[in-house]
Amino acid sequence: DAKTTQPTSMDCAEGRAANLPCNHSTISGNEYVYWYRQIHSQGPQYIIHGLKNNETNEMASLIITEDRKSSTLILPHATLRDTAVYYCIVRSRGKGGKLIFGQGTELSVKP
Amino acid sequence: ETGVTQTPRHLVMGMTNKKSLKCEQHLGHNAMYWYKQSAKKPLELMFVYNFKEQTENNSVPSRFSPECPNSSHLFLHLHTLQPEDSALYLCASSPEGGSGVGLGETQYFGPGTRLLVL
Repeated sequence: DAKTTQPTSMDCAEGRAANLPCNHSTISGNEYVYWYRQIHSQGPQYIIHGLKNNETNEMASLIITEDRKSSTLILPHATLRDTAVYYCIVRSRGKGGKLIFGQGTELSVKP
Repeated sequence: ETGVTQTPRHLVMGMTNKKSLKCEQHLGHNAMYWYKQSAKKPLELMFVYNFKEQTENNSVPSRFSPECPNSSHLFLHLHTLQPEDSALYLCASSPEGGSGVGLGETQYFGPGTRLLVL
């Protein structure tokens, strides 16, 4: 599975959009981009995933560049409850596609 | 609430104790996982079960013994642990299906058990 790089930490003002970048320059054609988040001392929570098209759900939007070497998770109106560590993971679907967590980005939403 | 529950939520044990962690999923999934998260470290995959069969053991010491009696329940039996085993132990499940190591689907995590070994 491809490795990802994310900023260690980011701040965001409450009510503003939070844009979390992720680089995955070695991603292969069958690998998806997954995003999870982990609020302090809780289990990780699935947010969204995509292959090459942009995706949106009730939690967030995922923007994947055309060359698929990077992506951005967008929380459109961040709240204090969105303060968490956000993990970007690339992995293949199906057999052998392990979920390997890195260090993630620690997002702090401030009033 | 993700549909994956873990008990106990907190556990303190001595190095000579034997204890068990329990995980139950109410999602109708076929695959279940144990992860370990030590302080300031990423999650580490420990074990994978698919249709009650263990499909992965990620070089975990034998003092950790998993058990999967059915697709809804997963246990982690602990004995003669060391202080460095203190961590957050997380259970997850995913739909999966078929044979072999199918880890492609979205995983849903429980709240974890915070373990302290004295």
